[in-house]
Amino acid sequence: EAQVTQNPRYLITVTGKKLTVTCSQNMNHEYMSWYRQDPGLGLRQIYYSMNVEVTDKGDVPEGYKVSRKEKRNFPLILESPSPNQTSLYFCASSLIPQGRNEKLFFGSGTQLSVL
Amino acid sequence: EDQVTQSPEALRLQEGESSSLNCSYTVSGLRGLFWYRQDPGKGPEFLFTLYSAGEEKEKERLKATLTKKESFLHITAPKPEDSATYLCAVQIITNFGNEKLTFGTGTRLTIIP
Repeated sequence: EAQVTQNPRYLITVTGKKLTVTCSQNMNHEYMSWYRQDPGLGLRQIYYSMNVEVTDKGDVPEGYKVSRKEKRNFPLILESPSPNQTSLYFCASSLIPQGRNEKLFFGSGTQLSVL
Repeated sequence: EDQVTQSPEALRLQEGESSSLNCSYTVSGLRGLFWYRQDPGKGPEFLFTLYSAGEEKEKERLKATLTKKESFLHITAPKPEDSATYLCAVQIITNFGNEKLTFGTGTRLTIIP
């Protein structure tokens, strides 16, 4: 089944404790992206990747890191999480870069709480 | 500043009661407008892409239309399984020549049996 898989679904952590949210897609998509979703603010892009070893900042990259060493994986890293990073996170992918009007496939989300 | 505004924030309808959701945008250089459906606890799921004013697309009880300033998602004779949050997103070309996708905050639709 074609899908984007995120792990974990739920994560509670404390301020400053490094964490990684994993994302994997099995559709051989070139483009992958991370979003956060907050009430009243909609989906906001954190980072995106056009292909392996090619990443760039989205609208809200502060406090986050990403890497794209393999085509299928695009982990999101929070080196020193803070409470304002409490949010619902989504990984998404598309066959070719979003710039060519390609639809996005989303994972099921990771609900992160930073205490 | 580019903006995408969805209205209403929430809408409750009786089963079979048709209505429309609105997505208005103020952007320059629209490349495409997307509609997604999001169920509780899940990621958004693609519904439609519209590219130019006057374009319409349909899928079951849903029909999306586009003008130069807004898009409508018409729901005809909805069923309880149509209950979800509907998101629209606009794609533009930035001043740097990059493509950017901006999401609205969504309309939470509830269909009452």
